[in-house]
Amino acid sequence: DAGVIQSPRHEVTEMGQEVTLRCKPISGHNSLFWYRQTMMRGLELLIYFNNNVPIDDSGMPEDRFSAKMPNASFSTLKIQPSEPRDSAVYFCASTLQDPGGTGELFFGEGSRLTVL
Amino acid sequence: GEDVEQSLFLSVREGDSSVINCTYTDSSSTYLYWYKQEPGAGLQLLTYIFSNMDMKQDQRLTVLLNKKDKHLSLRIADTQTGDSAIYFCAENSGNTPLVFGKGTRLSVIA
Repeated sequence: DAGVIQSPRHEVTEMGQEVTLRCKPISGHNSLFWYRQTMMRGLELLIYFNNNVPIDDSGMPEDRFSAKMPNASFSTLKIQPSEPRDSAVYFCASTLQDPGGTGELFFGEGSRLTVL
Repeated sequence: GEDVEQSLFLSVREGDSSVINCTYTDSSSTYLYWYKQEPGAGLQLLTYIFSNMDMKQDQRLTVLLNKKDKHLSLRIADTQTGDSAIYFCAENSGNTPLVFGKGTRLSVIA
């Protein structure tokens, strides 16, 4: 299995530009999570989906952030307009939510965003 | 809400044992986890323990769980330079998302 695939791995953009981060979860997984990691705040959960439906987006910082999951194999996180304080590493993770399972999350390698 | 706390830094000499500690607040946790993050990479599951266990050993790793005190620890025996990474404690209960600590940065001095 290829694991969780994220793109781009690195993005440098200017303040005010739109940023789109992409994620392909592991095939067969039914839950997908977007996290943001910074030195100051650590790992923050932004939003998660079960069976392509957003369940909890209370971690999304503000209206500039939006996430979609049009099908089971693809999700996007969009920031419009971007600001320097959005600079962080954004992780996508997926899992198979199963009553008998361990709940292990599988993470992608992350997308490092720098907003100048 | 649920909270997971861990110290931010730990420095040990190569060959010594490392002990990384974590406290959590959710008494209904089902599983508790240790994830490892190497530089430039995502988090990877290192080991986990079911809440009805108090110890789990896996080669150089020993996980201790004190449910009464809501305290979890990870011991790495014979720490190597390749163990330098950030270690995250996490817990979940049922179908709620994992709650992660801020991570402990382990530095191994040769």
